[in-house]
Amino acid sequence: NAGVTQTPKFQVLKTGQSMTLQCAQDMNHNSMYWYRQDPGMGLRLIYYSASEGTTDKGEVPNGYNVSRLNKREFSLRLESAAPSQTSVYFCASRHHLDTEAFFGQGTRLTVV
Amino acid sequence: RKEVEQDPGPFNVPEGATVAFNCTYSNSASQSFFWYRQDCRKEPKLLMSVYSSGNEDGRFTAQLNRASQYISLLIRDSKLSDSATYLCVVTPYSGGGADGLTFGKGTHLIIQP
Repeated sequence: NAGVTQTPKFQVLKTGQSMTLQCAQDMNHNSMYWYRQDPGMGLRLIYYSASEGTTDKGEVPNGYNVSRLNKREFSLRLESAAPSQTSVYFCASRHHLDTEAFFGQGTRLTVV
Repeated sequence: RKEVEQDPGPFNVPEGATVAFNCTYSNSASQSFFWYRQDCRKEPKLLMSVYSSGNEDGRFTAQLNRASQYISLLIRDSKLSDSATYLCVVTPYSGGGADGLTFGKGTHLIIQP
């Protein structure tokens, strides 16, 4: 079982460049999430998708866009990367509101 | 008051000892509770769900106190491999912001030989 798969695992960008982080899950989950994690800050929600075709802002959405391409895939796009977006990004999914979430292995992004 | 609060630690504990830490939550409508474990530079992984009646999985025991709005995690006979950050997660049955999944910032545990 692959679970939640994120690509890429590592990325270095120059300020102003754009990129898309990919996430796919094979567990037929309804909800998908994008988090960023910075030292001392814990997990902060960027965007989430409660079901296919819907997306909503989380705690820190500025500078990001998302697409729920289908039930399996939820991508995160940085249109113009900034050094403040240097972080570890995690994608997660879960089936229902009262069930546990499963995480991808993370993407370590550095913006220089 | 923050939605989910944890003592960040670090908790420095000798190998073989018992350690416990709590997590408090502010939303009384919270229905589901979980403990996750996160190793350095890795993704969070589910350690155990927390049921109203409490539950035990080997050396790990989780309990819920709805009246005081906290959950606890007890680790007995601690091992070096238990060193990690433990995240508390609560979720209401329906509604709530961000689809209802709220994480604490984690408690850092270091087991010393």
